[in-house]
Amino acid sequence: GAGVSQSPSNKVTEKGKDVELRCDPISGHTALYWYRQSLGQGLEFLIYFQGNSAPDKSGLPSDRFSAERTGGSVSTLTIQRTQQEDSAVYLCASSSQTGGGGYTFGSGTRLTVV
Amino acid sequence: AQKITQTQPGMFVQEKEAVTLDCTYDTSDPSYGLFWYKQPSSGEMIFLIYQGSYDQQNATEGRYSLNFQKARKSANLVISASQLGDSAMYFCAMKLLNTGFQKLVFGTGTRLLVSP
Repeated sequence: GAGVSQSPSNKVTEKGKDVELRCDPISGHTALYWYRQSLGQGLEFLIYFQGNSAPDKSGLPSDRFSAERTGGSVSTLTIQRTQQEDSAVYLCASSSQTGGGGYTFGSGTRLTVV
Repeated sequence: AQKITQTQPGMFVQEKEAVTLDCTYDTSDPSYGLFWYKQPSSGEMIFLIYQGSYDQQNATEGRYSLNFQKARKSANLVISASQLGDSAMYFCAMKLLNTGFQKLVFGTGTRLLVSP
């Protein structure tokens, strides 16, 4: 597609339920990132996929968080047993370059855990 | 490890004036890239400008310029002739270029308010 697509745009879930957030990057982009942004805060790195390499999971806050990227394209971020502190905007970005240049961000998924 | 510091939580500027948003970074790696992003209240992240550590000249993109001072490890964003639509959060970010994993690390952001 023309841009990075994320779905759903908004998700309200009950504490303890599992959620899946989807990111569809720009076609051909080999790098894909997930970030989390809590209200009024900066961007917190979660996970990074680059081509067929093993992902950099160093930013995942707990083992309740996992992500996969199928076929080098679409990525799904899964949060198990959601907690209220998981409420945030989850942003996905993709890039075609391993060097410089801009990363294209999606519009994000606003997750609210009640 | 890389680190980005933005020390100005908020900045105010009058329309048509220039404003400088500060960013300092810390890395021991000689090859890196520096980015600035704008995030309006709608939430999308808009790429503004990029500077590579080996670039000889400071980057410019329209009204945006990056004041890159390598020895001081600073990469300040200069917005000339501010417009009301420039009111937004601004994030500085960095990634290392010679490593296998090129994580983009962000600062905490500066909120810019442009007044008429």
